[in-house]
Amino acid sequence: QQQVRQSPQSLTVWEGETAILNCSYEDSTFDYFPWYWQFPRESPALLIAIRPVSNKKEDGRFTIFFNKREKKLSLHITDSQPGDSATYFCAASGQGGRALIFGTGTTVSVSP
Amino acid sequence: GPKVLQIPSHQIIDMGQMVTLNCDPVSNHLYFYWYKQILGQQMEFLVNFYNGKVMEKSKLFKDQFSVERPDGSYFTLKIQPTALEDSAVYFCASSPTEDTQYFGPGTRLLVL
Repeated sequence: QQQVRQSPQSLTVWEGETAILNCSYEDSTFDYFPWYWQFPRESPALLIAIRPVSNKKEDGRFTIFFNKREKKLSLHITDSQPGDSATYFCAASGQGGRALIFGTGTTVSVSP
Repeated sequence: GPKVLQIPSHQIIDMGQMVTLNCDPVSNHLYFYWYKQILGQQMEFLVNFYNGKVMEKSKLFKDQFSVERPDGSYFTLKIQPTALEDSAVYFCASSPTEDTQYFGPGTRLLVL
């Protein structure tokens, strides 16, 4: 059973548009939710992260919206740029340095 | 950001042979992780450490896998014997706290 789910699997937006990536999770003990992005043949890199004490986290053009009751979160990329084209992974972990559980990823393509 | 190093970057071996993957985490990080990523899929957790000791292992961590920290600095992941399904990119990651994990560049393993 997939503990962290992502949708859509792929997404194409025009430059300047807002891309919305969705994520949901099963385990209510998860308390840390990072988003990683990964470019082809590279390692994943932390983009932005949130804890359940907050329902929103913003960093430049990237914003996480978090709904603890529904166990859902989303990543909004505003003013999308071609350089944002990558695969975005939603992940979750519990307390105490536990392993990250990754979703299956959303591949975003930004067309100029 | 902090640099996690992995050697080798690529490895091609015949099925049944042994392979050792090496990772040099950031020096002051206490948490350490190994993940496996099959082409086009998400990272999947294998094993993690805290302060040099194994914390947890996933179901993917088969009996053929072993992990060591030979001299207290770098970590090794050994697979003996290898199987075709072990072909993947193996990432190590380290973290100074319970949160942000910094990933190495990965070792691309191909088992023939």
